[in-house]
Amino acid sequence: GEDVEQSLFLSVREGDSSVINCTYTDSSSTYLYWYKQEPGAGLQLLTYIFSNMDMKQDQRLTVLLNKKDKHLSLRIADTQTGDSAIYFCADAIYNQGGKLIFGQGTELSVKP
Amino acid sequence: EPEVTQTPSHQVTQMGQEVILRCVPISNHLYFYWYRQILGQKVEFLVSFYNNEISEKSEIFDDQFSVERPDGSNFTLKIRSTKLEDSAMYFCASSDPGGRQPQHFGDGTRLSIL
Repeated sequence: GEDVEQSLFLSVREGDSSVINCTYTDSSSTYLYWYKQEPGAGLQLLTYIFSNMDMKQDQRLTVLLNKKDKHLSLRIADTQTGDSAIYFCADAIYNQGGKLIFGQGTELSVKP
Repeated sequence: EPEVTQTPSHQVTQMGQEVILRCVPISNHLYFYWYRQILGQKVEFLVSFYNNEISEKSEIFDDQFSVERPDGSNFTLKIRSTKLEDSAMYFCASSDPGGRQPQHFGDGTRLSIL
């Protein structure tokens, strides 16, 4: 079945760039998403990319998609302590009611 | 910005009891979803709902679960006879009439079964 995998932890220094990686198995992906979860909070949509795109930039966020390798990454430029959270990659399966398949989440820790 | 709201934020229930989790999706959205996240595990899809019927459900969503849109604003998840393993964070999500737009999530209901 479909699966999404992410590394579990990433630690960076404030001001550095963070790169969070994700791989997926679904060959019919149309949209891929990044969500952010702060402690005790819900899933906040950060950004998303359509499968016919290679890159999408949104302020400090850059999403890169390598469809051949089924690899997605999220780069956060000038990472701040407020960026500390869990980041989830999700793949939308539109021929199955639009369900999202989530990765296990990457915990980003930003040290001052 | 419009948001999805869920109530209650925390529900504690005795095993075997029925529980209803409530969600108010974004007002012009027509696709609705429930997901759950057991502590330390991935967010898992439960069910999607459109045009007053279930579009897709996972194998987790067995006969103990049901969903309903009782009026024009609420979307509910009912668990008939709760089990210890139903303890999890339950998230409601909705997406706009196009159905292929991003799903917006609520803050979740933490369900604790004793």
